[in-house]
Amino acid sequence: ETGVTQSPTHLIKTRGQQVTLRCSSQSGHNTVSWYQQALGQGPQFIFQYYREEENGRGNFPPRFSGLQFPNYSSELNVNALELDDSALYLCASRSIGQGTTEAFFGQGTRLTVV
Amino acid sequence: GNSVTQMEGPVTLSEEAFLTINCTYTATGYPSLFWYVQYPGEGLQLLLKATKADDKGSNKGFEATYRKETTSFHLEKGSVQVSDSAVYFCALSERAGGGADGLTFGKGTHLIIQP
Repeated sequence: ETGVTQSPTHLIKTRGQQVTLRCSSQSGHNTVSWYQQALGQGPQFIFQYYREEENGRGNFPPRFSGLQFPNYSSELNVNALELDDSALYLCASRSIGQGTTEAFFGQGTRLTVV
Repeated sequence: GNSVTQMEGPVTLSEEAFLTINCTYTATGYPSLFWYVQYPGEGLQLLLKATKADDKGSNKGFEATYRKETTSFHLEKGSVQVSDSAVYFCALSERAGGGADGLTFGKGTHLIIQP
């Protein structure tokens, strides 16, 4: 059983640019959540996707958007990057429905905005 | 809104010492409570969880009891090892397993165990 994998592991972008981060969920999981973890802080919930639709969102502006694909993998897109967007972005997958599981996290993508 | 407060670190202990990391929460409903651990360069791993009042979660010698009356979920271990050095996060979810509102995390406690 493969775990949650994220790509790329590190990324440097310039303020104002756009970025796409990718996540492959664990086999058998149908739900993906994204979190932003600033240095020295706990992760903050961005949004969750279930059956290709966003079904929950934290306190993040619309320039943070996402997609979930039929194979349950997911993308996080951030437009008009700001310096404060520099953080570790974590993806977590789990299964909702019969046999709901806890969230399993990937290793994250470290985004630096300069 | 929901929030989690945990003791700030770093917490430095000698090997075989007793560990307590305090965690208190604020929630509007009846949340599930979690402890996650983050080793250097890795993602978060679920350490233990409790889904209702008075439940005790345990794993790898760690344990925590869901105390509704004090809104607390303190992490304890009787004898720590160097390999326990990591950052520990207390978290809650209003829905069992982490529902559509996601997990609310504390800021994390960096634990350093010295040989």
